[in-house]
Amino acid sequence: KAGVTQTPRYLIKTRGQQVTLSCSPISGHRSVSWYQQTPGQGLQFLFEYFSETQRNKGNFPGRFSGRQFSNSRSEMNVSTLELGDSALYLCASSLTRTSGDYEQYFGPGTRLTVT
Amino acid sequence: AQTVTQSQPEMSVQEAETVTLSCTYDTSESDYYLFWYKQPPSRQMILVIRQEAYKQQNATENRFSVNFQKAAKSFSLKISDSQLGDAAMYFCAYRTQYNNNDMRFGAGTRLTVKP
Repeated sequence: KAGVTQTPRYLIKTRGQQVTLSCSPISGHRSVSWYQQTPGQGLQFLFEYFSETQRNKGNFPGRFSGRQFSNSRSEMNVSTLELGDSALYLCASSLTRTSGDYEQYFGPGTRLTVT
Repeated sequence: AQTVTQSQPEMSVQEAETVTLSCTYDTSESDYYLFWYKQPPSRQMILVIRQEAYKQQNATENRFSVNFQKAAKSFSLKISDSQLGDAAMYFCAYRTQYNNNDMRFGAGTRLTVKP
């Protein structure tokens, strides 16, 4: 079974631009979560999508948004990029949200550099 | 809010020896889940081991085992017979019992394995 895939793997953008990152979960997984990883702040939860609905959101400004499609693939969008948005963005999928099958499997990440 | 603390930014171990990575957490919940993730230099996060708080027995996965002390809110990872491939960043993570895939991560411990 294929793992979580993220595209693109690397991205360079300029301040003020917007960017869209994509995540394809493991086949059959319905929950997709997004995390931002930086040297200073570590791993921080952005949001979670399940059945095309945002279920939970971390403490990030409204410039960060996402969506999930009917095939469970997810995208996250960052508008009006700032230098501080430079990070590794990780996507994780899990089968469900309930207590039984909640283990999250991570993708390789998208390295975003904002100049 | 739940917080996870890893007090050892870096650890080193000789190949074939044993090393223990520390993790403490703060929560008011009685049921929750704890994880150790490994992030090798290639950046893909891999689940190493998980522990359900309601289980008193410590989880083990081959050379990896945990020492879960619920009252002390401590969750350490022991790696036995360390191998060169164990070199990575190790993250301790907490997940609430509720239907919520927002995981809280510690800052990580960088493990070096010396040949």
